[in-house]
Amino acid sequence: GESVGLHLPTLSVQEGDNSIINCAYSNSASDYFIWYKQESGKGPQFIIDIRSNMDKRQGQRVTVLLNKTVKHLSLQIAATQPGDSAVYFCAETYSSASKIIFGSGTRLSIRP
Amino acid sequence: DAGITQSPRHKVTETGTPVTLRCHQTENHRYMYWYRQDPGHGLRLIHYSYGVKDTDKGEVSDGYSVSRSKTEDFLLTLESATSSQTSVYFCAIRGGADNSPLHFGNGTRLTVT
Repeated sequence: GESVGLHLPTLSVQEGDNSIINCAYSNSASDYFIWYKQESGKGPQFIIDIRSNMDKRQGQRVTVLLNKTVKHLSLQIAATQPGDSAVYFCAETYSSASKIIFGSGTRLSIRP
Repeated sequence: DAGITQSPRHKVTETGTPVTLRCHQTENHRYMYWYRQDPGHGLRLIHYSYGVKDTDKGEVSDGYSVSRSKTEDFLLTLESATSSQTSVYFCAIRGGADNSPLHFGNGTRLTVT
């Protein structure tokens, strides 16, 4: 069946370093992907999205890379800060679909 | 929080009692969703709505019903709460079906004793 998963359940990085969070998806029909950040006690917060006609998209300190050949998605956070500590989810869907499927999440922790 | 209010924020109830959670949006978005989040399971879709009085089941719909009588409100009802329904429930909204993200509320923590 369809699934969206993450390679690493936890990631610890030094403050100031770059973080890379990975995600694999299995539905080759998916054409829209989203990254969310969830802080403790809050709902998931939209970070960035990418459509399948793109390989890369940049936001403020974040970059999402999409490799459709191997069905892989990554989120890069530049100069990681303590405020980046959270659980990060990837999600996938396809055009005209009402449902969005979420991965299980990666916890990002920052070492001072 | 993209104009989404969930109520109550916390609820403790006993097994066998009915419970209704409310989601209210001020964005006039067409799509509304109910998810539950549990350790080890991530976010799982319970039900969603694609318009007033138009709803469909998600992957974990058993034991839950929903209603949407107006655009701004989406209600989730547990007809007879069970301990397995102890969870954090999130409502989300989406403006369009194609290539638009969900925006989430801050959740309702439900404990069934």
